[in-house]
Amino acid sequence: QKEVEQNSGPLSVPEGAIASLNCTYSDRVSQSFFWYRQYSGKSPELIMSIYSNGDKEDGRFTAQLNKASQYVSLLIRDSQPSDSATYLCAGNFGNEKLTFGTGTRLTIIP
Amino acid sequence: KAGVTQTPRYLIKTRGQQVTLSCSPISGHRSVSWYQQTPGQGLQFLFEYFSETQRNKGNFPGRFSGRQFSNSRSEMNVSTLELGDSALYLCASRTGTGTSPLHFGNGTRLTVT
Repeated sequence: QKEVEQNSGPLSVPEGAIASLNCTYSDRVSQSFFWYRQYSGKSPELIMSIYSNGDKEDGRFTAQLNKASQYVSLLIRDSQPSDSATYLCAGNFGNEKLTFGTGTRLTIIP
Repeated sequence: KAGVTQTPRYLIKTRGQQVTLSCSPISGHRSVSWYQQTPGQGLQFLFEYFSETQRNKGNFPGRFSGRQFSNSRSEMNVSTLELGDSALYLCASRTGTGTSPLHFGNGTRLTVT
């Protein structure tokens, strides 16, 4: 069973600070990872894709992938109240199915 | 480009009934996946279809079934509804390759009474 694990939180971060979300996975055969943001009552929205080791930046978001240590993280700089949501990590492990973590609930405190 | 469209948005059914949910993927996407989301269980994978064939299946009972049409549109059917089937059902599409991300529709909120 290829699993993706996340700390369910809640994670509280002051406005303007850096929010750090982490995800670990249990299988080394990974090809790609994705971060989704889900507001309460809404569907998940893709915010980042990362396919190779290292960092990938997009605006205030940075995704980090370390295949040797089997973790992927998402950093949100200059956190805003609108970033308050549940963040889901998902990975593709060689088959065609995307496996999701249970999500981390993030709250940005004004 | 239009996103993933799911219909209906809300459904209320009674136990024992059956229900059919519909999903139209993003144009050009050949893969459609279905997920069930509940507060306690998170996102649970139901199945994925690619070119009208079921490519992957999750651990749900046979009451849950799906199909995909030649235009990539997909339907999901749940028969003999149970109270525990109350959930948000999400459809997602992607181009078809295993490394491509999923793009979700707005979901269908099913309530079973």
